[in-house]
Amino acid sequence: DAKTTQPPSMDCAEGRAANLPCNHSTISGNEYVYWYRQIHSQGPQYIIHGLKNNETNEMASLIITEDRKSSTLILPHATLRDTAVYYCIVSESYNTDKLIFGTGTRLQVFP
Amino acid sequence: DTGVSQDPRHKITKRGQNVTFRCDPISEHNRLYWYRQTLGQGPEFLTYFQNEAQLEKSRLLSDRFSAERPKGSFSTLEIQRTEQGDSAMYLCASSPGLGGTGELFFGEGSRLTVL
Repeated sequence: DAKTTQPPSMDCAEGRAANLPCNHSTISGNEYVYWYRQIHSQGPQYIIHGLKNNETNEMASLIITEDRKSSTLILPHATLRDTAVYYCIVSESYNTDKLIFGTGTRLQVFP
Repeated sequence: DTGVSQDPRHKITKRGQNVTFRCDPISEHNRLYWYRQTLGQGPEFLTYFQNEAQLEKSRLLSDRFSAERPKGSFSTLEIQRTEQGDSAMYLCASSPGLGGTGELFFGEGSRLTVL
């Protein structure tokens, strides 16, 4: 079973920041937080991952709370092409054997 | 294109027929994963390989399902005596394994429709 809880859907205006929350209250010390997204009819795409520190790459920023029980994925300037289902996943291995997906958050970016 | 490729992209079959899907991972990726995804759900893990060794199988992988990766490169997923409940998107992913970042690289999937 997935170890994360995400809202089923969110809306965001184009050009604004999209903040997608994720609860993982049972996360253990050696588990990483991964974010993937899936655009309609495509395979999931890796976005970012982190352990305890905040992370940023060209796609997004990941903010992890100090107690690591929740995190937020931030898309700083959402575009229509960011409309997708976003999955937050916790996994116990840096070189993860597998990912257990939940149902994710469906982000709709509108003009 | 050096990404993960899957074939066929779409397959329509009649109940009771056998189907086979092929996955070509990114070159030199040691690990290969199969997932299944039904409408409105996230991908469900089925099985994964480290080189040619199948290291884990989900209980979702019934006896009618078999996956192989004979030479540690491409993989096949066969479904025997298909049922309507097998209708889904079958996703393949690969990763470098040890020494990688933990990122899985997914293909576009093979969509199966069982009539």
